[in-house]
This record gives sequence, structure tokens and C-alpha cells, in this order.
Amino acid sequence: EAQVTQNPRYLITVTGKKLTVTCSQNMNHEYMSWYRQDPGLGLRQIYYSMNVEVTDKGDVPEGYKVSRKEKRNFPLILESPSPNQTSLYFCASRGDGSYEQYFGPGTRLTVT
Amino acid sequence: LAKTTQPISMDSYEGQEVNITCSHNNIATNDYITWYQQFPSQGPRFIIQGYKTKVTNEVASLFIPADRKSSTLSLPRVSLSDTAVYYCLVGGNNAGNMLTFGGGTRLMVKP
Repeated sequence: EAQVTQNPRYLITVTGKKLTVTCSQNMNHEYMSWYRQDPGLGLRQIYYSMNVEVTDKGDVPEGYKVSRKEKRNFPLILESPSPNQTSLYFCASRGDGSYEQYFGPGTRLTVT
Repeated sequence: LAKTTQPISMDSYEGQEVNITCSHNNIATNDYITWYQQFPSQGPRFIIQGYKTKVTNEVASLFIPADRKSSTLSLPRVSLSDTAVYYCLVGGNNAGNMLTFGGGTRLMVKP
């Protein structure tokens, strides 16, 4: 089954404790992206990647890091999480030449 | 990237046709129009995409006038399960930035 998976689905952590949210897709897609969704603000792009070792900032990259060492994986790293990063995070992928993004199930992160 | 404007919310009743219009006045020549549906606590799901005139699939129709400055998503005979947020996106498929989601339209279908 074609899908985007994220782990963990839920995470509660404390300020300053480094964490990584994993994202994996099994569709051999070139493009991958991370979004955060907050009430009243819609979906905002954090980082995106056009292929292995190619990443770039989206609209709200501050406080986040990403890497794309393999085509299928695109982890989101919070080196020092803060409460304002409490949000619902989505990973997405799409194939080159396609407009259809496939989204993961979301990761609900709470930073206290 | 072209900015989009949609109504914040709409109400409808089961069995009715719902039309959601999106304005995108500064759409570029190579931009396509894409619509997504999102249920609470789930990732958005692709509905339909088009460039001009009319596109129809098993879920919806997309109407795009000749000037392409707006588009209308049409959902035939909605049911309660169509209650969701609908997003209109505009951009080119070679854009590294994977399109920008606006605020979306919250559709409430009532019995």
C-alpha cells in the first residue's frame, strides 16, 4: 500500500530535550516536505526536499532541522524544542511532475 | 507563488450541491489549481487538479473560467461525511516549494 508514515504519532516532551520525528514514504517520490498546523493558521511549510541531499527552507523553518540521506526518509529534528513548537506536524511527499501530495497521519507534539 | 482567497466557512444540507470558490488573481501561466480535503486530525487528501475549463472525477468537479483568476470546486449531493476543510492551492508542479496552503474553507454539512 502506498503510504507516508510518521513516528511517533503523539509525543509529549519538555523544553530543550532534542527530539526527532521520522517520516518515510514507499512511493519512490522525489519531493518530501514537513508542515505544521496550528488553529487558525492553516498548514505552514517548515522544510522541503526536492531529492536526496537537497533541502530548503519553507515558510517557518526556525527551530527545525531536516536531512535527506535516503530518498524514502525525511526526518524532522528539533534540537531544542520550545513550547511554541507545540503543534500538529504533517509529512508529505509527491512524485516529480505530479501535483498530488500524499500526507502522513500526523504527529501531535506537546512541548511543556 | 499565487495567493489564494477562499470563504472561511460554508454550511450546506445533505443531498445539496456545494460550490466553493477560490480567488487567485495573480496566477501564473504555468500554475495549476489543486484542491485538497482535510478531516480533523488527519492529513489533507488530494481531491482534484486542473489548468483550465472543467475537470471532473469520481469525487468532484472543478470549474476554471477563461481568465483563470478564480476556480470553483463543486461537490455533488454532499453527505455528512463531506464535512471537512477544503483547501485551494495554486502553483507549478516543478516548484520545489510544495505549494502553500491558505486558510481553507470549513464546510459543515447538516442533516
